[in-house]
Amino acid sequence: DGGITQSPKYLFRKEGQNVTLSCEQNLNHDAMYWYRQDPGQGLRLIYYSQIVNDFQKGDIAEGYSVSREKKESFPLTVTSAQKNPTAFYLCGTKSTGGRYNEQFFGPGTRLTVL
Amino acid sequence: AQSVTQLDSQVPVFEEAPVELRCNYSSSVSVYLFWYVQYPNQGLQLLLKYLSGSTLVESINGFEAEFNKSQTSFHLRKPSVHISDTAEYFCAVREGGSEKLVFGKGTKLTVNP
Repeated sequence: DGGITQSPKYLFRKEGQNVTLSCEQNLNHDAMYWYRQDPGQGLRLIYYSQIVNDFQKGDIAEGYSVSREKKESFPLTVTSAQKNPTAFYLCGTKSTGGRYNEQFFGPGTRLTVL
Repeated sequence: AQSVTQLDSQVPVFEEAPVELRCNYSSSVSVYLFWYVQYPNQGLQLLLKYLSGSTLVESINGFEAEFNKSQTSFHLRKPSVHISDTAEYFCAVREGGSEKLVFGKGTKLTVNP
């Protein structure tokens, strides 16, 4: 079964704690992305990576960190510096081999800070 | 900088009625345009895309969208909706040479019986 796996589906954390969201893909895509979704706000880009061991900040990177040690994995850490972390987080991937490739998305993780 | 405007945040319609979800973008260069659909608590699924060629693109489930360069629009239409079309729809734009997708804020389509 191919695709993008995000775990867990629901995540709860106490205020002030760091938490890591998992994103794994077996599509052999080079590029991976993290988005945050809030009601009525659409998707906003947090970080993206086009190649292993390299990543770039998106539009709302403050309070988040990522790593890309393997092609298949792009975990996102929500740190205690993120002021309002409760949101739906989506991971995406894209092949960089052609001009016309679209992004694919995982099922998402809903993070709630208590 | 590119941006995407979805003019309606919510669109309620009755089953079998036609629907149009509007999308306008701003960009000074060539763009690739996408419509994604999201069902509750799920990820996004690609509905259709415009890359080049014919300005009218169609999906397998009856949706179509037309790229209008002069009006910088990419409106999504369906001549007859079903209850199962109830979802949130996102328009997205990617500039040529960029790896980043820019999304609109979404339109919630509710199909009532």
